[in-house]
Amino acid sequence: AQRVTQPEKLLSVFKGAPVELKCNYSYSGSPELFWYVQYSRQRLQLLLRHISRESIKGFTADLNKGETSFHLKKPFAQEEDSAMYYCALRPAGSQGNLIFGKGTKLSVKP
Amino acid sequence: KAGVTQTPRYLIKTRGQQVTLSCSPISGHRSVSWYQQTPGQGLQFLFEYFSETQRNKGNFPGRFSGRQFSNSRSEMNVSTLELGDSALYLCASSLAVKTEAFFGQGTRLTVV
Repeated sequence: AQRVTQPEKLLSVFKGAPVELKCNYSYSGSPELFWYVQYSRQRLQLLLRHISRESIKGFTADLNKGETSFHLKKPFAQEEDSAMYYCALRPAGSQGNLIFGKGTKLSVKP
Repeated sequence: KAGVTQTPRYLIKTRGQQVTLSCSPISGHRSVSWYQQTPGQGLQFLFEYFSETQRNKGNFPGRFSGRQFSNSRSEMNVSTLELGDSALYLCASSLAVKTEAFFGQGTRLTVV
């Protein structure tokens, strides 16, 4: 079955501390992996995708096919990073639907 | 340019009624997808449309249906509403099927 697991519902760190949001997936093929973010009172938006291999707002994520993981990392958390983060998988093939994890709420304390 | 617009933003319906939600995609976007978000199940895929054709459907009962018009606007309909249909319904549009999805702010449906 295709599944995305985010083991932490809530992650609380202090400003300036490193942060790692975990994401594991279950999929037999080669999926596309994404991280979406939802700031308070704002719509869900794409943060980054594994294909682009870029850093957005200081966040990076590396696809580890052996461990079927796509963890999101930032070396120094900022208060404005506080938000809900969703890991998502798009199966290979012609369909464009996304399979989401249940999300991790990141709280960065001053 | 304007983002994805969903109407109405909030809706209260009674069990057994039906409801229609609307989604206007970003201008030029031809693909529209719908998702249901609940505290228990999270974000779950409902359907995907491209050029007025349903390309993909999630695991939801037949009470959930949708359509897309020639101007790419989309509607989803839920018939015979149940309490468990209470959720935030999100619409996302993209230029094509596998390009970046832009989400609307959602329609909050409450079934009483």
